[in-house]
Amino acid sequence: GENVEQHPSTLSVQEGDSAVIKCTYSDSASNYFPWYKQELGKRPQLIIDIRSNVGEKKDQRIAVTLNKTAKHFSLHITETQPEDSAVYFCAASRSKAAGNKLTFGGGTRVLVKP
Amino acid sequence: DAGITQSPRYKITETGRQVTLMCHQTWSHSYMFWYRQDLGHGLRLIYYSAAADITDKGEVPDGYVVSRSKTENFPLTLESATRSQTSVYFCASSETSKDRVVGGYTFGSGTRLTVV
Repeated sequence: GENVEQHPSTLSVQEGDSAVIKCTYSDSASNYFPWYKQELGKRPQLIIDIRSNVGEKKDQRIAVTLNKTAKHFSLHITETQPEDSAVYFCAASRSKAAGNKLTFGGGTRVLVKP
Repeated sequence: DAGITQSPRYKITETGRQVTLMCHQTWSHSYMFWYRQDLGHGLRLIYYSAAADITDKGEVPDGYVVSRSKTENFPLTLESATRSQTSVYFCASSETSKDRVVGGYTFGSGTRLTVV
């Protein structure tokens, strides 16, 4: 089955700096890659996603890049703010096959210091 | 996101007891999922369902049972709870179009289960 590795496990940045989280996946048939943000005690919430026919996607201060050949994708947060502090999860799935099952990375705890 | 609700929010049970976690969604999403979240392991899939009466195992199904007699409900039962099943359990649903995920998962608020 799919295996998703996520790095780093913790990330501390100064407010205003950028944060980058990287994930690698093992199943070359995976074609859907969402990112979730989970604040303390809350549910994970989808913040951005990308499909394998796209190399990059942006939404205001967040962007995701995908390298299908290397089987890795990354989340970029620019101009970080204290409210960006949370745990971020990457995930991968085949979308159409395998029942839309998402396999998650282990998570990255991001702390934005004011 | 009131469209997917889990109950109870917190549950303490004793080893060996049966306990059922409830999940209800109002969107008529065909796919529903149960994940457990543990420190150091992220989110791991327990069971999922593609439609009413269709369920399948995920990564960590042992000790759990699911059913889906109606599209909107997807209960998870721990047949004989063990301390290793202490965890936060999240139910999720996803909208699909022609079996393709549209918009990712929406998670419920979670159930924090403690087995003593």
